[in-house]
Formats: sequence, structure tokens, C-alpha cells
Amino acid sequence: QVRLQESGPGLVKPSQTLSLTCSVSGASISSGGFYWSWIRQLPGKGLEWIAYIYYSGSTYYNPSLKSRLSISIDTSKSQFSLEVRSVTAADTAVYYCARAAWGESNYFDSWGQGTLVTVSS
Amino acid sequence: QSVLTQPPSVSGAPGQRVTISCTGSRYNIGAGYDVHWYQQVPGTAPKLLIYGNSNRPSGVPDRFSGSKSGTSASLAITGLQAEDEADYYCQTYDNNVSGSAVFGGGTKLTVL
Repeated sequence: QVRLQESGPGLVKPSQTLSLTCSVSGASISSGGFYWSWIRQLPGKGLEWIAYIYYSGSTYYNPSLKSRLSISIDTSKSQFSLEVRSVTAADTAVYYCARAAWGESNYFDSWGQGTLVTVSS
Repeated sequence: QSVLTQPPSVSGAPGQRVTISCTGSRYNIGAGYDVHWYQQVPGTAPKLLIYGNSNRPSGVPDRFSGSKSGTSASLAITGLQAEDEADYYCQTYDNNVSGSAVFGGGTKLTVL
């Protein structure tokens, strides 16, 4: 059974870069047919897809955030990471990493527990 | 404003049946893309409940079922139980954005 675990600072100052890592266990991060994803949930709000990455390095980004995003993968460590640049209070959210089963309409079949990131000085 | 529209809340008594709607457009559900549903108990991560419109992952009770028609999809829960109280989200692909995933705004289910 695949397990995902987010890690990273819980507090980031405005204008700085938010960096998160997701560690994957129980399944190969290099498995075909799955993309690795970041999703966030603003306080009291719904879910927002952020980005996908494949083990080959192929990426997709939410266009509303794309200019500030970078997603990367390290297959040797079975980890993938997210950077969000120039953060503001509006980026305060619970950030989830998830595995996406890839197809015409992808779905997220496994999720990490989530990590709360607060943007504040 | 979410790309997919869900009612903010629904409620039902134990044992009853409730449905949650998810309305999209010709760019997503109406374009034929599969709809997926997630259950989120407060304070926990979302859990995949239905994928590919009507398929249940292993371990999901058959009290949960999904359907799709036109530009809308629905989640039905029969034999409502107290443990079903949670937020429910629909999700699909939107062909306005390559590789995208779009979610509904979520529906809070209250078991009376």
C-alpha cells in the first residue's frame, strides 16, 4: 500500500519561498501510469490542484499559480518536491501530496496526511 | 468560484438516502471526462470514494454510488450512517487547461 508523507516548515515569511517534500513508500515512484501531485486546501475552503510530475520529469502546473511554482522529483530518494515563490498570506493552506492515476481524467488514489503551512511575518 | 458546482450542504437522517450533485460545463463533465468523488472527514486528508463516474475502490461500501449524465454527476449515499458525516468533493478534468484537475467547492453532509 502506497504511503505519502509531506515534510517542510510550518511557517514561512511573506515574499519568501515555500518548500515542501513528499516521501513515497510502499510503491515505486517510477511506476508507469502514475503522476505525483500537490494539492492544497485553504482554511475552511475546498481543494485546489497545484501541480503534477511524472518520474521522467514531465510536469503540469495550475495556470493560476504557474509563474511561482516549481515541482521536481528525485527517484533515487523516492521523493518529489514543491517550491512556491513569493508567498503571501493567501498561500496559507494545508498542502497535500497525492498519487494521481493517469488517464483521460486523472484521479487521486492515495494522499498524504497534509501539512499546514502558514505565511506570516 | 469553483469550476464544478456543488450544493454547500445536504442533510439526512440515519438510514435515509441522500444525493450530492456536481454540475460542470461542456469543457469538463459535458466533454465526457470521468468524474471522481472524495470524502473528507474534518481534520483528515481526502479519501477517494468513487472513480471513473461509478467505480468504488476496494473497501468503500456499496452504499456509495456515482453516476453521470450530460454536464452533471451525482453521488448517492443510501442507508445513511453517522460516520458518513463529512465533506464530499467531486473532481474531473477540464480541457481548458492541459493536464488539469478541477474540484467542486465541496458539500458538507450532516447526519441528523
